[in-house]
Amino acid sequence: ETGVTQTPRHLVMGMTNKKSLKCEQHLGHNAMYWYKQSAKKPLELMFVYSLEERVENNSVPSRFSPECPNSSHLFLHLHTLQPEDSALYLCASSQDWGSGELFFGEGSRLTVL
Amino acid sequence: GESVGLHLPTLSVQEGDNSIINCAYSNSASDYFIWYKQESGKGPQFIIDIRSNMDKRQGQRVTVLLNKTVKHLSLQIAATQPGDSAVYFCAENPTRGSNYKLTFGKGTLLTVNP
Repeated sequence: ETGVTQTPRHLVMGMTNKKSLKCEQHLGHNAMYWYKQSAKKPLELMFVYSLEERVENNSVPSRFSPECPNSSHLFLHLHTLQPEDSALYLCASSQDWGSGELFFGEGSRLTVL
Repeated sequence: GESVGLHLPTLSVQEGDNSIINCAYSNSASDYFIWYKQESGKGPQFIIDIRSNMDKRQGQRVTVLLNKTVKHLSLQIAATQPGDSAVYFCAENPTRGSNYKLTFGKGTLLTVNP
């Protein structure tokens, strides 16, 4: 148990669907992150929120839309995805933006048909 | 572009042996390095970190060595156990003096044989 919970753990969606991934951290951290993990590729940083403000958007397509309503919750809204977006989406938190020690959730495995 | 990479994609060891996982980096400006472990079906887990002003750092059964001359990082695991079987990632902070934006390597799969 890392203190970072992601739901759903598995998601299958069509290219025209709209779905959301949810992340909740119980660690009192100030920064939250979305990472994408694809087969045979390094972890890719997508978004960073620090104190509920987006501080990093790593050239992610607009079909991915993050939302951070408070410091404990982070969402990733998905719309009109492509099959190549199928991957494991990992949420992480850290004490502050700039702390190298990230605490990851177990990920949401997304399959786009 | 500059990136973090790994010498070997897989490593197989016998239980009880020591394991050494290697990582090469190309950005001489990187000043902070981290090792993460990812077990099957789980997210990455922090193992140990090291700053560029150090050559060696020890944790519980793990040691990280940093050789800045050849831009090489290694993770040593003593008395490897079956529970150590996982993918190990090195990560670097490539931007000195700014907020951390970690760059991850592709990972090395460690398999521990009983």
